[in-house]
Amino acid sequence: ATQMTQSPSSLSASVGDRVTITCRASQGIRNELGWLQQKPGKAPKLLIYAASSLQSGVPSRFSGSGSGTDFTLTISSLQPEDFATYYCLQDYNYPRTFGQGTKVEIK
Amino acid sequence: DVQLLESGGALVQPGGSLRLSCAASGSTFTNFAMSWVRQAPGKGLEWVSGISGSGDNTYYADSVKGRFTISRDKSNNMVYLQMDSLRVEDTAIYYCTKDRSPWEVGLIPFDIWGQGTKVTVSS
Repeated sequence: ATQMTQSPSSLSASVGDRVTITCRASQGIRNELGWLQQKPGKAPKLLIYAASSLQSGVPSRFSGSGSGTDFTLTISSLQPEDFATYYCLQDYNYPRTFGQGTKVEIK
Repeated sequence: DVQLLESGGALVQPGGSLRLSCAASGSTFTNFAMSWVRQAPGKGLEWVSGISGSGDNTYYADSVKGRFTISRDKSNNMVYLQMDSLRVEDTAIYYCTKDRSPWEVGLIPFDIWGQGTKVTVSS
């Protein structure tokens, strides 16, 4: 199975900060990676697909980059509603695999 | 708008069985691959199983292989997860979500999720 290593596992940041989360795949997965946001008690929400494409309705402060094995999710200016847990997910092959998650907390 | 609605979650004893259902409404899901994803209490997301649009191809995580069976009823826009030989560690919220098959280039996967159904395995 393709292992997804996500870092950091948690971070504290202030409103307005630039935040970067990374994900590394154990093998090349082209650009077949998504980023999801999850808030407590809610289903995950897709933010980015195909590594860098912004899902419809998602604010432009979210962006994704990378290809092959190394990927990044960036929030350019953190907003109060962005405090949540973020996951990467590869859809290159089966079994699908998630990163361990990054909890973004208020500093 | 397309919506997914899971049902069938319950409290079940270890070794027991349960069938989860995922109903798609608002559009036809006949040709979409689908997946089940779970989240144990306080833990991260774990992909469980997937099925192609035709239903001919099924996929499983090692943790459930041989115990869970995914299927679909295309005529009724339903996807099922039959869970047998349940273990305490299967306790989780189970979500169904739209996926894509490898040949579906350009299709956006994981953009639609249900609200989840809770499975508790305990004696």
